[in-house]
Amino acid sequence: NAGVTQTPKFRILKIGQSMTLQCTQDMNHNYMYWYRQDPGMGLKLIYYSVGAGITDKGEVPNGYNVSRSTTEDFPLRLELAAPSQTSVYFCASRSGPSPTDTQYFGPGTRLTVL
Amino acid sequence: DAKTTQPNSMESNEEEPVHLPCNHSTISGTDYIHWYRQLPSQGPEYVIHGLTSNVNNRMASLAIAEDRKSSTLILHRATLRDAAVYYCIPVSGTYKYIFGTGTRLKVLA
Repeated sequence: NAGVTQTPKFRILKIGQSMTLQCTQDMNHNYMYWYRQDPGMGLKLIYYSVGAGITDKGEVPNGYNVSRSTTEDFPLRLELAAPSQTSVYFCASRSGPSPTDTQYFGPGTRLTVL
Repeated sequence: DAKTTQPNSMESNEEEPVHLPCNHSTISGTDYIHWYRQLPSQGPEYVIHGLTSNVNNRMASLAIAEDRKSSTLILHRATLRDAAVYYCIPVSGTYKYIFGTGTRLKVLA
């Protein structure tokens, strides 16, 4: 199993550009998450999904969009990139909502907006 | 949502035990306590979880207070590879998985 994979690993964007961060998991997990982590801070939830076709906002959704057309993929779209979106983005998956279900994280995408 | 309080940072000598505390006084009766760690430049990884009883696995032990208002992650012999940020997270039966700022553990050779 590859687990959770994310692409790209690094990206530099200019202000106003758009991009999609890719996330794929091969564990057949229903729940998927996108977090961002600013330097020295904890993870903040951007969006989450409880299954294909179902997504919802987390704590910091502004400036982002998601879709979940398959169980495996959960791409994060940045429209009109701003310097405030410079961060490390982590995708995670989890089999379900049970309090014993653990999260599995990808390696992250480091994004810089100049 | 249950709030957690952890020290910002701790230091340990290599090959000595480390006790990482977490206060979660507002935890609900059915929330499990999960611990994750984040090595430098990596995503968080699961360490251990428990409800009421103390738990052991190959990575660590988890000691949960009888009133469940606090817990302690125990690394029995810290190595340089254990230097990381450690997060404790109360987890309920919902989608929520809320990471605080965690404890940065420094291991001294």
